[in-house]
Amino acid sequence: QKEVEQDPGPLSVPEGAIVSLNCTYSNSAFQYFMWYRQYSRKGPELLMYTYSSGNKEDGRFTAQVDKSSKYISLFIRDSQPSDSATYLCAMSTYGGATNKLIFGTGTLLAVQP
Amino acid sequence: DTAVSQTPKYLVTQMGNDKSIKCEQNLGHDTMYWYKQDSKKFLKIMFSYNNKELIINETVPNRFSPKSPDKAHLNLHINSLELGDSAVYFCASSHQDRGNTEAFFGQGTRLTVV
Repeated sequence: QKEVEQDPGPLSVPEGAIVSLNCTYSNSAFQYFMWYRQYSRKGPELLMYTYSSGNKEDGRFTAQVDKSSKYISLFIRDSQPSDSATYLCAMSTYGGATNKLIFGTGTLLAVQP
Repeated sequence: DTAVSQTPKYLVTQMGNDKSIKCEQNLGHDTMYWYKQDSKKFLKIMFSYNNKELIINETVPNRFSPKSPDKAHLNLHINSLELGDSAVYFCASSHQDRGNTEAFFGQGTRLTVV
């Protein structure tokens, strides 16, 4: 079993829909939780990061962490065709450079105009 | 201005060859990384360097040898390439005090071994 599980999709939604992307994890020591967006043939770019539990909002994006359930989510409101990409969750036990980022396998999202 | 740049972007080579990938960052970061992304998009860390010192070395065949001549550069040399080495290799960088929470990735080098 992988440390971080993510539904690979693909997930297809109409423009304007609310999108929910999720990851589950097994290591209760994870404290830093990140979402990266990766367009086709590009490198991952950091969308949001959260420390420990709680919510964080940035424009149309909201990240949620529920450490008791070992579950994190990314919500995208008013989805746009430009949001079509692979979304990777990532997590680490602490923020020091000696610590590794553990990635999920990514969810491919397609927003249909 | 590209923050993290890798060369080459594409690399097609025969089995048994030796090849290098170069990475440079102009963000003033002190930590750099190599990640490998397989055909299923799974991204896994290979190495990380902090101030030119190797600090993470995952279970990677010793045919892979990273080198960091200075804080802004991290190269990856691969000897005796195998078919299974075909993947996209990403370089990334960050500040040590923020660790991996704000890592910036390059565009990737798509390596195909034939």
